[in-house]
Amino acid sequence: EAGVTQFPSHSVIEKGQTVTLRCDPISGHDNLYWYRRVMGKEIKFLLHFVKESKQDESGMPNNRFLAERTGGTYSTLKVQPAELEDSGVYFCASRQGNTGELFFGEGSRLTVL
Amino acid sequence: GQNIDQPTEMTATEGAIVQINCTYQTSGFNGLFWYQQHAGEAPTFLSYNVLDGLEEKGRFSSFLSRSKGYSYLLLKELQMKDSASYLCATLNSGGYQKVTFGTGTKLQVIP
Repeated sequence: EAGVTQFPSHSVIEKGQTVTLRCDPISGHDNLYWYRRVMGKEIKFLLHFVKESKQDESGMPNNRFLAERTGGTYSTLKVQPAELEDSGVYFCASRQGNTGELFFGEGSRLTVL
Repeated sequence: GQNIDQPTEMTATEGAIVQINCTYQTSGFNGLFWYQQHAGEAPTFLSYNVLDGLEEKGRFSSFLSRSKGYSYLLLKELQMKDSASYLCATLNSGGYQKVTFGTGTKLQVIP
């Protein structure tokens, strides 16, 4: 069974540009989470989808960030326009139901110059 | 909200035992995870405790005290490959459950 996959693994963009990160959760996992880890800091929660619905987006930094999960399958996280402080590793994780572990993707490293 | 505290860094010797502590305060608690993360890699699941007590899984054990808001991860017979960050995370009980991570403890195993 395929795990959580994320694309791209690394993206380098200039300030003001747009980047879209994609996450494909494990098939059948209704819960999909986005997290971000900035160098030296904790893995910080961004938002949580249950199927196609945003259950909790309290961690989204500002309106430059837009997450979607059309059809309840894969999810995208768009940053527009990107700022320097958006640099970090964006992790996606999925989970089946309300119990059990989170399965993480390898992360998408974003560098904003 | 959630507040999770763990030591930033620890150093231990190969073959020894190390205990990584985690304290938490949360508005709703439904369990605690420990994850291991090597540099540049995804976090990988180690354990999940929801009831008080010790859960043992090979060289790794995890303990939880709900009344004290306290957990620890115990690593025995340390190996060099155990050098990694160890992340404590709480699962809240409200609605569809949110998982919140602490800052992680960077463990360095030395010869």
